[in-house]
Amino acid sequence: EDQVTQSPEALRLQEGESSSLNCSYTVSGLRGLFWYRQDPGKGPEFLFTLYSAGEEKEKERLKATLTKKESFLHITAPKPEDSATYLCAVRLTGGGNKLTFGTGTQLKVEL
Amino acid sequence: DTAVSQTPKYLVTQMGNDKSIKCEQNLGHDTMYWYKQDSKKFLKIMFSYNNKELIINETVPNRFSPKSPDKAHLNLHINSLELGDSAVYFCASSQGIGLSGNTIYFGEGSWLTVV
Repeated sequence: EDQVTQSPEALRLQEGESSSLNCSYTVSGLRGLFWYRQDPGKGPEFLFTLYSAGEEKEKERLKATLTKKESFLHITAPKPEDSATYLCAVRLTGGGNKLTFGTGTQLKVEL
Repeated sequence: DTAVSQTPKYLVTQMGNDKSIKCEQNLGHDTMYWYKQDSKKFLKIMFSYNNKELIINETVPNRFSPKSPDKAHLNLHINSLELGDSAVYFCASSQGIGLSGNTIYFGEGSWLTVV
């Protein structure tokens, strides 16, 4: 069965304390891995798409990487405004454009 | 300008009632979706329409009926609401459903509470 697991469920960081969020997947055929950011009371906001192992993408303090079994979202020197829930999703071969989501990592960055 | 907009944002209703949530996108996309996010924040697809044609219909009770009058609109009608229907419903859109697929953009969500 296709599965997407994110860890940790929650993470508290001090401002400037870099860390990584993990998204591991067990799927029959990957056709894209997506990272979204969700703020309280808002819809998911698109961050990155990764298609093949070894691919990396960056945006400001965020960098997403992909291997054959997992993806990492690295946060460098985070700021309080980076606090949000980060969602990972996969698009599968034969699944059309359907996204299968993980349960998210709730990140809080404190001063 | 809001790209994917849905109304109402909040809806509180009694069990057994029928309600609708409306969604409109101004991105020029041809594919629209309804996702449900439960109390544990788990986001799961319900339906998808491409050019007004239903292409994804997950295991959803028959009480839920989507309707797409045109490519820019996808509404969700729910009959005989139950307590378990309480959740956040997100509308989304993308351009295309092909091999490469495309980024899916989400609306702000509609908070449904059934009492």
